Amino acid sequence: AQTVTQSQPEMSVQEAETVTLSCTYDTSESNYYLFWYKQPPSRQMILVIRQEAYKQQNATENRFSVNFQKAAKSFSLKISDSQLGDTAMYFCAFMNHPTGANSKLTFGKGITLSVRP
Amino acid sequence: DTGVSQDPRHKITKRGQNVTFRCDPISEHNRLYWYRQTLGQGPEFLTYFQNEAQLEKSRLLSDRFSAERPKGSFSTLEIQRTEQGDSAMYLCASSLSPELFFGEGSRLTVL
Repeated sequence: AQTVTQSQPEMSVQEAETVTLSCTYDTSESNYYLFWYKQPPSRQMILVIRQEAYKQQNATENRFSVNFQKAAKSFSLKISDSQLGDTAMYFCAFMNHPTGANSKLTFGKGITLSVRP
Repeated sequence: DTGVSQDPRHKITKRGQNVTFRCDPISEHNRLYWYRQTLGQGPEFLTYFQNEAQLEKSRLLSDRFSAERPKGSFSTLEIQRTEQGDSAMYLCASSLSPELFFGEGSRLTVL
């Protein structure tokens, strides 16, 4: 079974600074997807960024980028120029296959990020 | 695109009662998922459908839980004989592939 580990329960960052959130995962598969989701307080879960395992290039979405280390099974999220609206819980998630059976999303426990003004 | 819709948003019930949650996915999405989330924790997978077929169920989904997706459109999640441990946020998500789009959730409080 796949597992996702987020070992940091909380982090804090000053507005406009950069912060990195860590995630490791365990799988025996070679083809899979990794995601970071954001859940603001009392609001719905939204996708931040995704990475296909077969792509060597790290994904980037505006201020958000990942450091995907396939051999180390590590998938960290870097948030540049942090904004107050980035305050939320962030979940790392793993999907084995996007179609058919066994395409569920497995989440880590999450990390609470607070951006200080 | 109206997003994933869940109803009701909040449900308070007494222990032993049955409750049903409804999820309306994004219209063209063929996969629909149910998750349970407790405060400060990551979502836990319950079950998922591809069209009308229920392809996987978690061991978390005891006999008191049942989910359906008739005609591959909306889905319902029913919890029978609720227990206090069922208190949680129940999240629905839909997908065409591969990312999931989540609804705002249905919060259940069992007294």
